[in-house]
Amino acid sequence: EPEVTQTPSHQVTQMGQEVILRCVPISNHLYFYWYRQILGQKVEFLVSFYNNEISEKSEIFDDQFSVERPDGSNFTLKIRSTKLEDSAMYFCASTDRGNSPLHFGNGTRLTVT
Amino acid sequence: GQQVMQIPQYQHVQEGEDFTTYCNSSTTLSNIQWYKQRPGGHPVFLIQLVKSGEVKKQKRLTFQFGEAKKNSSLHITATQTTDVGTYFCAGPAMTTDSWGKLQFGAGTQVVVTP
Repeated sequence: EPEVTQTPSHQVTQMGQEVILRCVPISNHLYFYWYRQILGQKVEFLVSFYNNEISEKSEIFDDQFSVERPDGSNFTLKIRSTKLEDSAMYFCASTDRGNSPLHFGNGTRLTVT
Repeated sequence: GQQVMQIPQYQHVQEGEDFTTYCNSSTTLSNIQWYKQRPGGHPVFLIQLVKSGEVKKQKRLTFQFGEAKKNSSLHITATQTTDVGTYFCAGPAMTTDSWGKLQFGAGTQVVVTP
């Protein structure tokens, strides 16, 4: 069964540094998402992306965050200047239609020190 | 803003017992989805309910969507050790254009004792 893949599985960075989290959605999917989960807490929506632009974003997704689909396969989340509170598991997800359930990747655990 | 609440937060079950977890939204939902997350894993889609009052079964799991489309439940019969994990309900608000913009509940963490 096709999967959403995310790299790296674990990223450690210093506060103030930029990080890029990478995702390869399922190949025929058109809708892409980033969610995050702070340890022990619920999964939170960050941003949705369709047709090469952001569809919706949450209050968490401020100017420090950006997303990009640089080619036909990758979908990236960039955090420009990381803060301690950005430490979380970041999940990429994709769907083939706007009303389909989400297929999540295995996540990238981001640790900001 | 929209809130999705789940109870209980934690469920300790003896193998073979039944249990139910409940989900309530502060706003009407266009649909409700349930996901399971194993320890250290990612959320995995279980089911989606769309119609008011809908009931769906998956083997030992029974999912229900309330008449007002604001609450849902998951009932597991004859719990097995493979049922261990956290069960999340999630739904998009009726006001959103993006059905993938989900509001997740806090989850019910299920521990099964053999």
